[in-house]
Amino acid sequence: QQPVQSPQAVILREGEDAVINCSSSKALYSVHWYRQKHGEAPVFLMILLKGGEQKGHEKISASFNEKKQQSSLYLTASQLSYSGTYFCGTERIGNQFYFGTGTSLTVIP
Amino acid sequence: DTGVSQDPRHKITKRGQNVTFRCDPISEHNRLYWYRQTLGQGPEFLTYFQNEAQLEKSRLLSDRFSAERPKGSFSTLEIQRTEQGDSAMYLCASSLNGANYGYTFGSGTRLTVV
Repeated sequence: QQPVQSPQAVILREGEDAVINCSSSKALYSVHWYRQKHGEAPVFLMILLKGGEQKGHEKISASFNEKKQQSSLYLTASQLSYSGTYFCGTERIGNQFYFGTGTSLTVIP
Repeated sequence: DTGVSQDPRHKITKRGQNVTFRCDPISEHNRLYWYRQTLGQGPEFLTYFQNEAQLEKSRLLSDRFSAERPKGSFSTLEIQRTEQGDSAMYLCASSLNGANYGYTFGSGTRLTVV
């Protein structure tokens, strides 16, 4: 029931763009995105509700395709501070909230 | 608002001992969650409360684990007869009630069972 993220890891140079995908085998009600830096707690980035919306947060945005049960996180013009592990979290109506498998993002100068 | 506080930050215990962790959520948050995270993995759901009611508990959680949230404020997670496999980071998170709200996590309690 854990959502699957891809890629597992990505290395970017500052200023490059990246896309992280999150797929679920079950119908979703909402998708959360979090970033976790090494040794720290996950930090909430954004939430997308059923309805296919897209949201933005500075240079980080996300989309949610409920028909495909997928969400994508878009990072544009990456900065060193974007480094960390990104987790999606998915919620199905009346069910537990599951975190995804994680994507390690490293931004290098 | 000081965020979500967890205590202790680190705990080393001998196998077979009992341990208890505390979580103080953001005061206006009525939902409280416990997760467990091991190295390289995403947080794994353990249980969650809405106010003082424990609404859901993972089937992965053995009878050695118990959580309480008296009066809907702070919460405690107790692990009885600890095993080496219990070694992990235990994360607490809180949120407002409703689908529009993300979770605010505490810094976690790192448990090492020797």
